[in-house]
Amino acid sequence: GAGVSQSPRYKVAKRGQDVALRCDPISGHVSLFWYQQALGQGPEFLTYFQNEAQLDKSGLPSDRFFAERPEGSVSTLKIQRTQQEDSAVYLCASSILGASEPETQYFGPGTRLLVL
Amino acid sequence: LAKTTQPISMDSYEGQEVNITCSHNNIATNDYITWYQQFPSQGPRFIIQGYKTKVTNEVASLFIPADRKSSTLSLPRVSLSDTAVYYCLVGRGDSSYKLIFGSGTRLLVRP
Repeated sequence: GAGVSQSPRYKVAKRGQDVALRCDPISGHVSLFWYQQALGQGPEFLTYFQNEAQLDKSGLPSDRFFAERPEGSVSTLKIQRTQQEDSAVYLCASSILGASEPETQYFGPGTRLLVL
Repeated sequence: LAKTTQPISMDSYEGQEVNITCSHNNIATNDYITWYQQFPSQGPRFIIQGYKTKVTNEVASLFIPADRKSSTLSLPRVSLSDTAVYYCLVGRGDSSYKLIFGSGTRLLVRP
């Protein structure tokens, strides 16, 4: 079946521009996550949704970052007034809620954002 | 969440067995150990997960000693396509949802 998809795969933005990154999770997956991965580093947690509810946004680096999942499926990560330090790969992951063991998170290919 | 320590990089040759060890001295009683693999330009991919002793699947084996302060990911007979970054993660089974990645181990498999 289809995995997690993200669009666009690559985005070049001028400093100060707003960007929107889209994530289509695996159908039926209740949980959705956004991570940020800097070059040469492991992914870092940004935010977590359970259906349409954003239960944790503790990893969002500033109030310029905003995520939503209005209908509990597709999610959008928006970055306002982009800065050069926002350049990174943004990964989306989804998982089925309810397992007693740590759930496998299925990652998309990521969106590589370059802010000039 | 328990911090993990793993080698920055490892080299191997095709056909060899590769063992990557991860230290997690502060692992909690209800923590699980999970390994993810990441290829360039792709998101991480789940490889294996365990709590104690040994777990084996079609891709790898995970060895966890009795004190659970370390774990070893074993990849049998690696091929060039196993060149990737491997991440060891430790997290709780009851309410953990936030994956905490370290810098991972960069495995290079040579012909």
